[in-house]
Amino acid sequence: RKEVEQDPGPFNVPEGATVAFNCTYSNSASQSFFWYRQDCRKEPKLLMSVYSSGNEDGRFTAQLNRASQYISLLIRDSKLSDSATYLCVVTSGAGSYQLTFGKGTKLSVIP
Amino acid sequence: NAGVTQTPKFRVLKTGQSMTLLCAQDMNHEYMYWYRQDPGMGLRLIHYSVGEGTTAKGEVPDGYNVSRLKKQNFLLGLESAAPSQTSVYFCATLSGGGISGANVLTFGAGSRLTVL
Repeated sequence: RKEVEQDPGPFNVPEGATVAFNCTYSNSASQSFFWYRQDCRKEPKLLMSVYSSGNEDGRFTAQLNRASQYISLLIRDSKLSDSATYLCVVTSGAGSYQLTFGKGTKLSVIP
Repeated sequence: NAGVTQTPKFRVLKTGQSMTLLCAQDMNHEYMYWYRQDPGMGLRLIHYSVGEGTTAKGEVPDGYNVSRLKKQNFLLGLESAAPSQTSVYFCATLSGGGISGANVLTFGAGSRLTVL
C-alpha cells in the first residue's frame, strides 16, 4: 500500500458545484496533515492544515478521520479559479520535518 | 523579502553534462529539501538537510549530490546528466521545530531541466 493515496481525477465539475476529494494514508503515526494547491507549472502552495476537529476556511472544509486514516477536502460553490491540482500531504510522525505527498487530484471547474 | 529563490529556472543539458541547481533562502530556515516532480509521479524527495553542513538522502537520491555549506544555500548537483533526470525540481524550506499547522513548507518556483 502506498503511503499517501489520492484519486488522480480529473474531476470536471460545473461552476457552483460542490466537490470532495479523499486521501488515505498508511502510517498510523502521522500527526500533521495538509492540503496543498498546485497550479499548472507553478510551485505547490499551502491551502489549509487539517485538524482532528475539522476546519473550515470560507468555501473549503477539511476533515480528518484517524480511525480510518483518511482526510478529505470539500469545496463548495466551485469557482473557475479553483481549477488546480490538490495535493494531500502528511508527516511521518510527531515533530517530524519530513512530509509525504500524494500524487494529487486534478480539478477542472467548467463554465 | 524573496523567500526561496531557485536558479536557473530553465536549463537544457546534453546527456553526460554536469550542472548545479541553487536554492537560496532568506528566512533563516533550518531545513531545506530538494524534490523532483514528474507527470503522474507526484513530488519525490531527492535529498534534504536539517542544518548547515548536514545532508541526507531522500526517496530518489541516485544520480544527485547535494551540499549545504551555508545555511541559506542548498545546492543540487548532477554529475553526469541522464534523460531520466528530465523533470521539474522544487526546493523547499522549513523552520526548525518540526512540522505543524503553524510551520509548513515554503517552496521555490521550480527549475525545469531537460536532458537530451
